[in-house]
Amino acid sequence: GAGVSQSPRYKVAKRGQDVALRCDPISGHVSLFWYQQALGQGPEFLTYFQNEAQLDKSGLPSDRFFAERPEGSVSTLKIQRTQQEDSAVYLCASSPHWQFSYEQYFGPGTRLTVT
Amino acid sequence: AQSVTQPDIHITVSEGASLELRCNYSYGATPYLFWYVQSPGQGLQLLLKYFSGDTLVQGIKGFEAEFKRSQSSFNLRKPSVHWSDAAEYFCAAHNTDKLIFGTGTRLQVFP
Repeated sequence: GAGVSQSPRYKVAKRGQDVALRCDPISGHVSLFWYQQALGQGPEFLTYFQNEAQLDKSGLPSDRFFAERPEGSVSTLKIQRTQQEDSAVYLCASSPHWQFSYEQYFGPGTRLTVT
Repeated sequence: AQSVTQPDIHITVSEGASLELRCNYSYGATPYLFWYVQSPGQGLQLLLKYFSGDTLVQGIKGFEAEFKRSQSSFNLRKPSVHWSDAAEYFCAAHNTDKLIFGTGTRLQVFP
């Protein structure tokens, strides 16, 4: 079956622009996660949804970052007024579990470059 | 603070040689532990996981890992490395609702 997909795969934004990154999870997966992976680093947690409810957004680095999953399926991560430090790969993962959502399946990521 | 440490940033081995990648965790209790592999331009692929029970776990692609509570370690091993194993390897621990990743070890394989 289809895995987690993300679009676009690559995004170049000028500093100050707004960007929107899309994640299509595996069909039927209730949990969805966003991670940020800076160059040479491991992924770092940003936020977590269970269906349409955003249960944890403790990893969002600033109020310029906003995520939504309005119908409990597709999710969008929005970054307003992008800064150079936002340059990273943004990974989306989904899990079939609502509790102990340790079994996470990752998409290929969106590489964001802010110039 | 809870953390995962991978002390080796870069490892180089010859094809056919054995491999061990180190991972240490810092948690109050035994977390669920994972190893992922990331090839260039690819997402993270789960190699294996440890929840409880047998401390030696087998994974895909011939990898195994051993959980040692006394050393707070979960090292990844492979008896004979193939050129296609060249990639970035991440150890991770599950904490409540998120995965906490180490900084990764880049594996280079020479023919």
